[in-house]
This record gives sequence, C-alpha cells and structure tokens, in this order.
Amino acid sequence: GENVEQHPSTLSVQEGDSAVIKCTYSDSASNYFPWYKQELGKGPQLIIDIRSNVGEKKDQRIAVTLNKTAKHFSLHITETQPEDSAVYFCAASINNNNDMRFGAGTRLTVKP
Amino acid sequence: NAGVTQTPKFQVLKTGQSMTLQCAQDMNHEYMSWYRQDPGMGLRLIHYSVGAGITDQGEVPNGYNVSRSTTEDFPLRLLSAAPSQTSVYFCASSVQRNTGELFFGEGSRLTVL
Repeated sequence: GENVEQHPSTLSVQEGDSAVIKCTYSDSASNYFPWYKQELGKGPQLIIDIRSNVGEKKDQRIAVTLNKTAKHFSLHITETQPEDSAVYFCAASINNNNDMRFGAGTRLTVKP
Repeated sequence: NAGVTQTPKFQVLKTGQSMTLQCAQDMNHEYMSWYRQDPGMGLRLIHYSVGAGITDQGEVPNGYNVSRSTTEDFPLRLLSAAPSQTSVYFCASSVQRNTGELFFGEGSRLTVL
C-alpha cells in the first residue's frame, strides 16, 4: 500500500521567512496530493491540493510543487505569519479517493 | 453551518468497557470516514462509508465497528476498549469518495485506562 513520509517533524521560523515541508510517497499510481492544516484543538482543514497532471499550484502565500518522477511533493509558505503556526499534514491517494494515507505531520512555529 | 459534529469531545474508559463515538454531518455528504491520530503517526483510516448501508475497512479497523443507517450519521463503536485505543478520533466527510476535500470534525479524545 501507499506510504507517505513527511519531513521535518518540527519547523521553527521567524515571522516573514519562508517555510518548506517535504513529503515523499511510495505508490507511483497516487495522483492526488492534499495538504491539511490543523490548529490546536481543531480538526484538520484543507489548505491546498494538487493533482498529478499539474507540477505546481499557488494560492496567495501558499504553493505546492509535485515531482512525479521523484515521487515527492512540497508545501511552500512565504512571508510567514504567527497565525501560520499549526500542524501541517500531507497526504496521497490513488484515483483521487478519500481513503488517503497521511504523513506524520509537521509542527510549524512562526516566531514574532 | 454545523458541518461535522462529533460527540463526546473527551472520554475516559476502563479496559474492556464499550462506547460509541457519534458523528453527524449536515452537508448531505455521501462519504464519511473515521480516522485516529496518534503522535508521530499522522492520521490513519479506521473505517469508511460511501453511502447509507455501505461500510468498509480502512487501514486500522481491528477493535472498531461502524454502521451507516442514514446519510447524516456514522457512529464508531468500541466493543471492548483496550489501552492501545487511546487516541484522538476524527470523523470526516466528503461529497463523494473521489472528490478530494475532506471536512473534519473537531475530534474526540479517548483515554483507555
């Protein structure tokens, strides 16, 4: 089955700096790659996703890149703000279905 | 909008006790699922349902039962709780199985002593 690895497990940046979180997946048939943000005491919330027919997707300060050959994808957050502090999860699935495998999570702290 | 509602938010059980975690959604979503979240292990799929009357196993189904008698409700049952089931449980729903975005509840923290 699919295996998703996520790095780093913790990341601390200064406000205004960029943050990058990387994930690798094992199943070459995976074609849907979402990123979720989980704030303290809340459930995860989708922030951006990418499908395998696209190499990069941007939404304001957030971008995701996908390298199908290397089987890895990354989340990029620019101009970080304290409210970006949260746990971020990557995930991968086959045929876009929601039975997806999640990474272990990255705790991002943005210091003011 | 209420979205996905889980109850209870916190529960402490003794080994061997049974309980049900409730999940309800008001978005008319066909797909519903249960995940458990453990430190360093991300979210792991327990069971899912693609519609009323249909359920299937996920990655870690042992020790859990589910049913889907209505579109709105998807309860998770622990028949004989074990300490290994201490975790935070999340219910999630989506319009359909293959439409991407999952909407999560706020979680239920379960401790089994």
